[in-house]
Amino acid sequence: DAKTTQPPSMDCAEGRAANLPCNHSTISGNEYVYWYRQIHSQGPQYIIHGLKNNETNEMASLIITEDRKSSTLILPHATLRDTAVYYCIVDPTTSGTYKYIFGTGTRLKVLA
Amino acid sequence: ETGVTQTPRHLVMGMTNKKSLKCEQHLGHNAMYWYKQSAKKPLELMFVYNFKEQTENNSVPSRFSPECPNSSHLFLHLHTLQPEDSALYLCASSQDYPAGVSYNEQFFGPGTRLTVL
Repeated sequence: DAKTTQPPSMDCAEGRAANLPCNHSTISGNEYVYWYRQIHSQGPQYIIHGLKNNETNEMASLIITEDRKSSTLILPHATLRDTAVYYCIVDPTTSGTYKYIFGTGTRLKVLA
Repeated sequence: ETGVTQTPRHLVMGMTNKKSLKCEQHLGHNAMYWYKQSAKKPLELMFVYNFKEQTENNSVPSRFSPECPNSSHLFLHLHTLQPEDSALYLCASSQDYPAGVSYNEQFFGPGTRLTVL
């Protein structure tokens, strides 16, 4: 089961880009990388996912290295409402299991 | 209603009580999940149901008993819980496409905050 490693916390100034790294060196096959965030005591919210190519949506951009062993979530213009815990996970279903493993995530604090 | 709903939002129970948590999804998804999130700990996957069949039981104690009567509803029956079972219980659903196609983002409910006295 592919696990992920993230820094426990980061600060970012409001209006600046927040770059959140994730290491998933044991990712295999066609396993996708997903990012979620959890605002205090709420259910996690899906942000973005990708396989090999960089992805962008209205919330964020996802940069995946060529060897797929790490990725970076980019919030281009962080706001105070982006303060949350961000989780990077590897979707195991393309490898035939449902053993989702959420790590401790990165607690992002956006500063005014 | 849209999305994933959970009831109750808060629950306090004694160790000898029996209670149930309910989850309902209005997204037409085929897979449903129960997670436990204890204070200052990561989300822990408990159970997964796919097309009403249980496909994952992550070594959960038998005092937690899931039930999935149809693809839209998921229950977690609780009995003789311990204080350390106090946590936020989250339900999620996903479309669950065939293996090799990953559009399996999970949609989470707001959770039930459970306190066991």
